[in-house]
Amino acid sequence: GAGVSQSPRYKVAKRGQDVALRCDPISGHVSLFWYQQALGQGPEFLTYFQNEAQLDKSGLPSDRFFAERPEGSVSTLKIQRTQQEDSAVYLCASSSLAGVASSYNEQFFGPGTRLTVL
Amino acid sequence: SQQGEEDPQALSIQEGENATMNCSYKTSINNLQWYRQNSGRGLVHLILIRSNEREKHSGRLRVTLDTSKKSSSLLITASRAADTASYFCATDADTGGFKTIFGAGTRLFVKA
Repeated sequence: GAGVSQSPRYKVAKRGQDVALRCDPISGHVSLFWYQQALGQGPEFLTYFQNEAQLDKSGLPSDRFFAERPEGSVSTLKIQRTQQEDSAVYLCASSSLAGVASSYNEQFFGPGTRLTVL
Repeated sequence: SQQGEEDPQALSIQEGENATMNCSYKTSINNLQWYRQNSGRGLVHLILIRSNEREKHSGRLRVTLDTSKKSSSLLITASRAADTASYFCATDADTGGFKTIFGAGTRLFVKA
């Protein structure tokens, strides 16, 4: 079946613009994760959804970052008033397990959205 | 900040050789996972080892876990050019949260 898809694949924004990044998880996957990956680094956790509930947003770096998953499937990560330090690849992952610590889950990752803020 | 720290940061070997990568972490864990990332397939789960396991095999992959030293190793035997990728360990803290913590990764280059 189809894997996790993300759009757009590339986004260039001027500093101060708002951006919205979309994630389509694998159908039926309850858990959804967002990560930020800087060049040469590992992914950094941003937030976690179980269905439509955002159960962990401890990794969101500032109140300019907002994520939602209103119907428990597609998720959107919004970044307001983008800054140059927001430039990174944003990864979305989904998994079939829920209600357990993340390391029990095999996470299926999308290709990412590469955001460049000028 | 990232919990897992891999070493070496980069590794270059000839096809057919074995590659060993190490990961250290800071707090107690439930499980530890290894992921691979390359430009063609993105980030892909390789193997999961539970905190009560010491060794696990999957094809050409062998993972060990030493919870007393808070470290894990990933061995890839008989490497192939297609194994060229970045390899990350991922853990969580044993606090019941949902946060997955990745290390900075080891960049493996396998020369044909």
